[in-house]
Amino acid sequence: EDQVTQSPEALRLQEGESSSLNCSYTVSGLRGLFWYRQDPGKGPEFLFTLYSAGEEKEKERLKATLTKKESFLHITAPKPEDSATYLCAVQSAGGSRLTFGEGTQLTVNP
Amino acid sequence: DTEVTQTPKHLVMGMTNKKSLKCEQHMGHRAMYWYKQKAKKPPELMFVYSYEKLSINESVPSRFSPECPNSSLLNLHLHALQPEDSALYLCASSPLPPGQGYNEKLFFGSGTQLSVL
Repeated sequence: EDQVTQSPEALRLQEGESSSLNCSYTVSGLRGLFWYRQDPGKGPEFLFTLYSAGEEKEKERLKATLTKKESFLHITAPKPEDSATYLCAVQSAGGSRLTFGEGTQLTVNP
Repeated sequence: DTEVTQTPKHLVMGMTNKKSLKCEQHMGHRAMYWYKQKAKKPPELMFVYSYEKLSINESVPSRFSPECPNSSLLNLHLHALQPEDSALYLCASSPLPPGQGYNEKLFFGSGTQLSVL
C-alpha cells in the first residue's frame, strides 16, 4: 500500500525566512510525485510533477526536489501570499489513484 | 479555457432533500473525478469517470449517485444525506484516465461547500 507522510504539520515563517517542507513516501514503483497548493475553501492548485530521483523543478520562490524516498519543497524568501496548505501526492506504477499526504499548513507572517 | 467550474459554491440541505452538484470542463480531458474533503484533511477519492464511463467507485454509499452526461459534464446527485456528509466536494479532471500516460496531473475546481442539517 502506498504511503505518504508530510512534515511538519504546520510551519510558521517570517517573510523572507527560507525553509523546506518534507514529503516522505513508500510506493511500489513511482509513476509520479505531485505537489499541490490549497487555499482555504478552494480546490488544490497544481504546482509540480516529479518523475525520477534527482529531478528538480522551480516556479518563482518554490523549488521541488526528489530522491528515492522523499521530496522537498524549498521556499526561498517567502511572502505572506505563499501562506497555504501544501499537499504532496504519489501515484504508483500499477496504481490507478493518487495517494495524498495530510499536508503542511504554511503561514508566512509579514 | 483551463478551468474546472463547479456549481453551486455553497449548499445547505436537509437530510430529506435531493440536490445535485455540477462540474464542467472544456479542456478535452477524458477523465473526471469526485473527491470529498473534510477540514484539515487531504481529498478522498469517491468516483472516477474514464471516457464517460464509471471506472472507479471507492465504495461510496448509494446516497451519492454520480452521472457523466457527456465528456464535459459531471454531476453528483445527493439524496438522504447525513450530517457527517458535510464537507467540501471537489471535482477534478485529467487529460487521460489514471494509468494511461505520464501527465496525469489533476485540475481541480474550487469545490462545493456542503452542509447537511
